[in-house]
Amino acid sequence: GAGVSQSPSNKVTEKGKDVELRCDPISGHTALYWYRQSLGQGLEFLIYFQGNSAPDKSGLPSDRFSAERTGGSVSTLTIQRTQQEDSAVYLCASSLQGAEKLFFGSGTQLSVL
Amino acid sequence: GNSVTQMEGPVTLSEEAFLTINCTYTATGYPSLFWYVQYPGEGLQLLLKATKADDKGSNKGFEATYRKETTSFHLEKGSVQVSDSAVYFCARNTGFQKLVFGTGTRLLVSP
Repeated sequence: GAGVSQSPSNKVTEKGKDVELRCDPISGHTALYWYRQSLGQGLEFLIYFQGNSAPDKSGLPSDRFSAERTGGSVSTLTIQRTQQEDSAVYLCASSLQGAEKLFFGSGTQLSVL
Repeated sequence: GNSVTQMEGPVTLSEEAFLTINCTYTATGYPSLFWYVQYPGEGLQLLLKATKADDKGSNKGFEATYRKETTSFHLEKGSVQVSDSAVYFCARNTGFQKLVFGTGTRLLVSP
């Protein structure tokens, strides 16, 4: 596609439910990143994929968070047993390689009630 | 550690005013430095970057110079426009191919 696509754009869920967030990177981009943007907190790194492997998942806040990438393309971020503090905008970015120029999607606004 | 600190906003300016948004980074290694911009309703996009000391990144009238002696990468523009209203993020890379961002500075430019 022309850019990084994320779905859904908005997600409202109840505390304790599981959610899946999807990211379609730019075709041919081998690197894929997930960040979280909270009000007043800036962008918080979650996980980085190179191809299908995740060399750096140091930013995942807890074991309720997991992510996978298949076929070197689509990635899914899963949050189990959501909590209110998980409410944020989840951003996906991709790049040809490394962190020199990231292309960001518009994000998924997650609201946990 | 690897961190980036930038001035808090919002920064409110009139059109054609001079803009400075301060950014400093921790001096761990020799990072590349970046400014990303997020226009209302859009995703973040790279504005400019500098990869080594004394390099100057520039784009769309914005400039930033990589100052190793002061560990700074301040963003400047000589004459802002209403269309520059956005949130600006300073960032550095780490040795592990990821970007660490500052908290963002909102710029509001009025006619």
